[in-house]
Amino acid sequence: ETGVTQSPTHLIKTRGQQVTLRCSSQSGHNTVSWYQQALGQGPQFIFQYYREEENGRGNFPPRFSGLQFPNYSSELNVNALELDDSALYLCASSLGFQVQETQYFGPGTRLLVL
Amino acid sequence: SQKIEQNSEALNIQEGKTATLTCNYTNYSPAYLQWYRQDPGRGPVFLLLIRENEKEKRKERLKVTFDTTLKQSLFHITASQPADSATYLCALGVTGGGNKLTFGTGTQLKVEL
Repeated sequence: ETGVTQSPTHLIKTRGQQVTLRCSSQSGHNTVSWYQQALGQGPQFIFQYYREEENGRGNFPPRFSGLQFPNYSSELNVNALELDDSALYLCASSLGFQVQETQYFGPGTRLLVL
Repeated sequence: SQKIEQNSEALNIQEGKTATLTCNYTNYSPAYLQWYRQDPGRGPVFLLLIRENEKEKRKERLKVTFDTTLKQSLFHITASQPADSATYLCALGVTGGGNKLTFGTGTQLKVEL
């Protein structure tokens, strides 16, 4: 186990709704990254937070937003859900954001948008 | 356009043999490449990192090669075991991008008795 937890494990929403996914990083890890993994695909980078500030963003619209808190927890918020948002959402924590810093992934939250 | 390609078909091999998985990329200049293992219903688990100036890395039964001329990485598992059955993902990182990763689609490996 990586020590990274995510909640909830599964979630069903309808199109247009809003969702908040949560991640608890390993203690001491000040960097968290969020990824979206569609079925049969590799994870896609959404954004990264370092010490509560956004530290890079992938090709995702502004309706995907995040927060990181001082207690090593973080949130991914998605507004105006679309059917294509159905995916496994993964968070990964690391000691820092340098190349050599290993990312430890949580088990993910599986989101289904109907 | 940028692409990271891994074998989309599952790779079936016999226990004890060497499994070789391929990761090809186009229109990237990666500073490093990583390999991850992902089991069903779980997040990826880091296995190995290899930098652009390294040709080969080993860790126990695992070996990774990185050829920036061919734009290819090979991932080998020697003396494979049924417990090695999983999906294996390659991921690239670029200079200035820190540890933000771009993943391939993964290859499913099945090791049979």
